[in-house]
Amino acid sequence: AQRVTQPEKLLSVFKGAPVELKCNYSYSGSPELFWYVQYSRQRLQLLLRHISRESIKGFTADLNKGETSFHLKKPFAQEEDSAMYYCALIIRAGSYQLTFGKGTKLSVIP
Amino acid sequence: ETGVTQTPRHLVMGMTNKKSLKCEQHLGHNAMYWYKQSAKKPLELMFVYNFKEQTENNSVPSRFSPECPNSSHLFLHLHTLQPEDSALYLCASSPAEAQGDQPQHFGDGTRLSIL
Repeated sequence: AQRVTQPEKLLSVFKGAPVELKCNYSYSGSPELFWYVQYSRQRLQLLLRHISRESIKGFTADLNKGETSFHLKKPFAQEEDSAMYYCALIIRAGSYQLTFGKGTKLSVIP
Repeated sequence: ETGVTQTPRHLVMGMTNKKSLKCEQHLGHNAMYWYKQSAKKPLELMFVYNFKEQTENNSVPSRFSPECPNSSHLFLHLHTLQPEDSALYLCASSPAEAQGDQPQHFGDGTRLSIL
């Protein structure tokens, strides 16, 4: 079965420092990967998806099939980036499977 | 905020009760989802409805019974639940399951506590 691993439960960085939230997945085919974010007292929302190759709020994520990773990066962390971040994997191989990681809490220290 | 609305926000029920969770979206989406978020566990997909038809059931116990009368409404009927069913139940929607990558809009969830 496919699996999504976010090895860090909590990540603390200083404002202005680079951020990297790790996500590894286990799936041998072609996955669709997403990052979701949940700010304090707000609902879960989509941050970005690998297909779009976009940068949202300064965050980027590159799919590395060789390393089966989809790490989320931002060169300079801002206080408003503090939130829970979830990596998710969608597989469409006959049936639809969506698997979330356990999440990483990012805390940006002013 | 418009988008996906879930009611009630909180629900406390005994193991012998029957209750229903409601989810509503007026985003024009055709796919709706139920997720379970337990403490210390990843978000788990429970059910998927696409154009009112159930397309996925992720081995969910029969004490959870979904219903999707139309593309805008999704219910989760609960009966004879167990204490381990206490969790946050999230509803989400997306344009349509079969179209490429799918952004999903989430509701605020229903916090369910089983006594």
